[in-house]
Formats: sequence, C-alpha cells, structure tokens
Amino acid sequence: ETGVTQTPRHLVMGMTNKKSLKCEQHLGHNAMYWYKQSAKKPLELMFVYSLEERVENNSVPSRFSPECPNSSHLFLHLHTLQPEDSALYLCASSQDRPGSGTDTQYFGPGTRLTVL
Amino acid sequence: AQSVAQPEDQVNVAEGNPLTVKCTYSVSGNPYLFWYVQYPNRGLQFLLKYITGDNLVKGSYGFEAEFNKSQTSFHLKKPSALVSDSALYFCAVRDRGYGNKLVFGAGTILRVKS
Repeated sequence: ETGVTQTPRHLVMGMTNKKSLKCEQHLGHNAMYWYKQSAKKPLELMFVYSLEERVENNSVPSRFSPECPNSSHLFLHLHTLQPEDSALYLCASSQDRPGSGTDTQYFGPGTRLTVL
Repeated sequence: AQSVAQPEDQVNVAEGNPLTVKCTYSVSGNPYLFWYVQYPNRGLQFLLKYITGDNLVKGSYGFEAEFNKSQTSFHLKKPSALVSDSALYFCAVRDRGYGNKLVFGAGTILRVKS
C-alpha cells in the first residue's frame, strides 16, 4: 500500500474554500487516475492521465481541476464544492503500456473529504 | 459498453466455511477481469486478475476466482474463510476493445463470523 500515497487522509472544508489533494506513486508507473467513492455507489472514474497528458475526463464538474506535473505526482484542486461532493477520493496508478489492457491499477489509501 | 454486476450487497459466512462472492460482467469483446478488496478506511488492494489461459486464477491471501465465459461470470472463492477476510470486495472489468478504462461493480460486503 505504500506504493501510492495520498495526502491529506482527511479533509473538512467549507463550500467557499480552495484546497488540493495530493497523490504520489513510487512504482515507476506512467498512468494515474482519480476516482470518487460515495456510499453505496460504484467507483466513479474522474480523470485519467497517461504520460502526464489527460486522456479522460468523465464529465466532471469544473469545480474539480486535476494537475499532473510529472508521472509520479497527481493533484486534484478543489474550489466551491458542494456538500454532495463529500466522498472518499482515491488515486491509482498503473503501468499502462499503450494498447495493453492487462495492467493492474494500484490504489492509494484515499482522502476522506467532507464539505460543510 | 462494459458493465459489472455484483448481485449480493452482503455475504455472511461462518469462519472456516468456504466463501463465494459473485460477479457477472458484460462486454462486447473479450474481458480482462479483476478483484479488489477494501478494508475500512483503506484504499483498494489488488487480489487477482484474469487475462487469458487457465480459467482458475489464484491470488493473494488464499483467494481464487473462476472465469466462466459461457455464464459471463468471475466469482471469487476461498476454501476456508477467516474473520480477517471481512471487508468490501469489488469486481472490475476492462473490455479489450475499449482502451484501458476499468469499470467496477458496486461492491459486496463480506462478513465472516467466528
């Protein structure tokens, strides 16, 4: 589990705050992901970065803004969130060789976000 | 489009008994299938995956899963459950013809009682 780390582990913020979630992977992977996990709902894929380029954005509201400065780091910038955005935000990474779907995604421990 | 169904919200089993957590999938092509486990306040941990070859896949912590193409299923099994196996289990599928997107089921809570 130490292969992918996330900070902070818990975050409470008001609707007018701006905060950022950080993810770092120590596995030498070239793809990184943000997922949202809400109670009693399947994991929702939010963003995918491959070789620091965003390759997928699943209709995520603009109040969520991802940033991938290099292949080891991924950020999720948050601003003017809503209470329904409260969830566990999970980061994952994988090797993702082009054209291969066999690579395993490895997850971080998540950030538990509460929006007041 | 690809999809995954985990028909049971919760599975209860006594310690020492065999356990099965069910998963069925739908893809247009051939699937890659994965199982993950999530303990409270933790991220998802990879258990095993089916890519090709032998239909019985062995993974971490004594878990195994059987790929059944005709029934489009990939049930997770363990011969003898432990209390420490109690957790949330996710099945996931990736359609070989649709890039690298991984689609997860809603999850099944496994409770093992001593």
